[in-house]
Amino acid sequence: AQSVTQPDIHITVSEGASLELRCNYSYGATPYLFWYVQSPGQGLQLLLKYFSGDTLVQGIKGFEAEFKRSQSSFNLRKPSVHWSDAAEYFCAVVPYTGTASKLTFGTGTRLQVTL
Amino acid sequence: DGGITQSPKYLFRKEGQNVTLSCEQNLNHDAMYWYRQDPGQGLRLIYYSQIVNDFQKGDIAEGYSVSREKKESFPLTVTSAQKNPTAFYLCASRRAGGAYNEQFFGPGTRLTVL
Repeated sequence: AQSVTQPDIHITVSEGASLELRCNYSYGATPYLFWYVQSPGQGLQLLLKYFSGDTLVQGIKGFEAEFKRSQSSFNLRKPSVHWSDAAEYFCAVVPYTGTASKLTFGTGTRLQVTL
Repeated sequence: DGGITQSPKYLFRKEGQNVTLSCEQNLNHDAMYWYRQDPGQGLRLIYYSQIVNDFQKGDIAEGYSVSREKKESFPLTVTSAQKNPTAFYLCASRRAGGAYNEQFFGPGTRLTVL
């Protein structure tokens, strides 16, 4: 069965510092990959997604992610974090084949931003 | 504005009672999903529906039921058989087509069993 690992449960960074959130997946073939963000008590918002082509993907709010097939990773990055980026971040995958498009989520990384 | 609405935002239930959570979308999406979110566990799929009058169990369907009588609506009933129903429930929808079409999420309903 496919799985998604986000090894960091909680990360604290200073405002203006760079950020990298890790995501590793376990699946036989390259899946479709997504990053979502969730503010407290809210729904999820899509930051970016990857399904083919350029392995560096640009998203909203200044985020980017790089797909590395050899490492089965899809890490999320931001060059300079803003206080409003404090939230929980989820990596998710869906199989390349199949029609149901059932997402498998990681357990999330909670980002705290200090001023 | 197109989007997904969930109601109520907060719901309190006594043990032994069934409750129904509402999910409506005006995005004209074919597929709809229900997830349960618990602290530290990410999101887990309860039920999903790819077309009207059809739905499938997800990973944790026991104690839940759904219906899909209209394309826009996908209500979730939490039955008394669900042993630990206190959680945050999220509804999502997705446009039909390739798996790269992302899911759009509603704002969620927080259910508390008293």
